Amino acid sequence: GENVEQHPSTLSVQEGDSAVIKCTYSDSASNYFPWYKQELGKRPQLIIDIRSNVGEKKDQRIAVTLNKTAKHFSLHITETQPEDSAVYFCAAPPEWDSGAGSYQLTFGKGTKLSVIP
Amino acid sequence: NAGVTQTPKFQVLKTGQSMTLQCAQDMNHNSMYWYRQDPGMGLRLIYYSASEGTTDKGEVPNGYNVSRLNKREFSLRLESAAPSQTSVYFCASTGSYSYNEQFFGPGTRLTVL
Repeated sequence: GENVEQHPSTLSVQEGDSAVIKCTYSDSASNYFPWYKQELGKRPQLIIDIRSNVGEKKDQRIAVTLNKTAKHFSLHITETQPEDSAVYFCAAPPEWDSGAGSYQLTFGKGTKLSVIP
Repeated sequence: NAGVTQTPKFQVLKTGQSMTLQCAQDMNHNSMYWYRQDPGMGLRLIYYSASEGTTDKGEVPNGYNVSRLNKREFSLRLESAAPSQTSVYFCASTGSYSYNEQFFGPGTRLTVL
């Protein structure tokens, strides 16, 4: 099955600085890589995702890069703000169930980002 | 639209008791999932249902059973609760036939004494 490793487990940055979170995956067949943000006491919510046919995707202050050869992908947050403080999870699907038209996700263990005002 | 809803929000059980966690979605999604979240462990898949009438085991299915009651509802049952099942449980759903966003419910915080 898929194995996803995420680093670092905790990250503290000054407001306005950039933050980078990295993930590696094991299944070379994976081709979808979402990132979820979970604020304290809340549910996880998708913030950005990337498919394997592109190497980078941006959405305002967040971006994701993908290196399929090395099997790793990263989340980049620029100009961090206090409201970016949360736990971030990367994920990858071990396989696509073509018969059912469905997929599962294997999540990394999360990175707790603290943005210091 | 309410999205994904879960009941109850909190529950305390004694070892050996049983209970069912309920999940419902109003987005006409085919696929539904149950995860558990423990500190430092991320989200781990317990069971999933790719479509109405089908269920499959995920990474950590032992001690749980599920029922896909209809397209909207997917329940998780603990037959004989153990302290190791103390966790936060999240239900999620997504559309099929493409990599779509998984929408999560608000979670159920379960404590087994």
